[in-house]
Amino acid sequence: GDSVTQMEGPVTLSEEAFLTINCTYTATGYPSLFWYVQYPGEGLQLLLKATKADDKGSNKGFEATYRKETTSFHLEKGSVQVSDSAVYFCALQGEAAGNKLTFGGGTRVLVKP
Amino acid sequence: DSGVTQTPKHLITATGQRVTLRCSPRSGDLSVYWYQQSLDQGLQFLIQYYNGEERAKGNILERFSAQQFPDLHSELNLSSLELGDSALYFCASSPRGERDTQYFGPGTRLTVL
Repeated sequence: GDSVTQMEGPVTLSEEAFLTINCTYTATGYPSLFWYVQYPGEGLQLLLKATKADDKGSNKGFEATYRKETTSFHLEKGSVQVSDSAVYFCALQGEAAGNKLTFGGGTRVLVKP
Repeated sequence: DSGVTQTPKHLITATGQRVTLRCSPRSGDLSVYWYQQSLDQGLQFLIQYYNGEERAKGNILERFSAQQFPDLHSELNLSSLELGDSALYFCASSPRGERDTQYFGPGTRLTVL
């Protein structure tokens, strides 16, 4: 079945540092890929998405490129802020009936001033 | 604010009890999804409804059931509750024609004592 593996946290960074969160997936066919962010005490917010190979999703300074050859969708941000502290989830939407999302385990990111 | 509302925000109950969680999707969204977020299982898809009909089922226990009403709101019923059912329960909705975008509600935190 479909699965998503992402690096375990927590990831602790200083403000303005470069952030990378690795995400790899297993799925048949051509899934859509997503990054969701969960701020403390809140629900999940869609951060960015990519629906086909080589697509780059971007939002709020975050980027991720859909790499089919390496089945990866790594999240990057060039200069993090304290407000980026949150839990980040990589997810895929496969081709099976229904549009369920399959999530990775989440990566907690803590940005210190 | 995603436009998806969930009530109640918090629920504390005892083992063996039954509870109902309510979700109102964004205006016009026909699809509703339920997810469970727990410490040991992570984020898992439970069930999806589309315009009142069950569309897909995930790792939903037989003690759990759901339905979507004609006004498109949905309810998740959890019965014979166990300690392990303590979790955050999220509802999400997606617009017609945008199968790959799900908007999440703030969640209901269920604590079973």
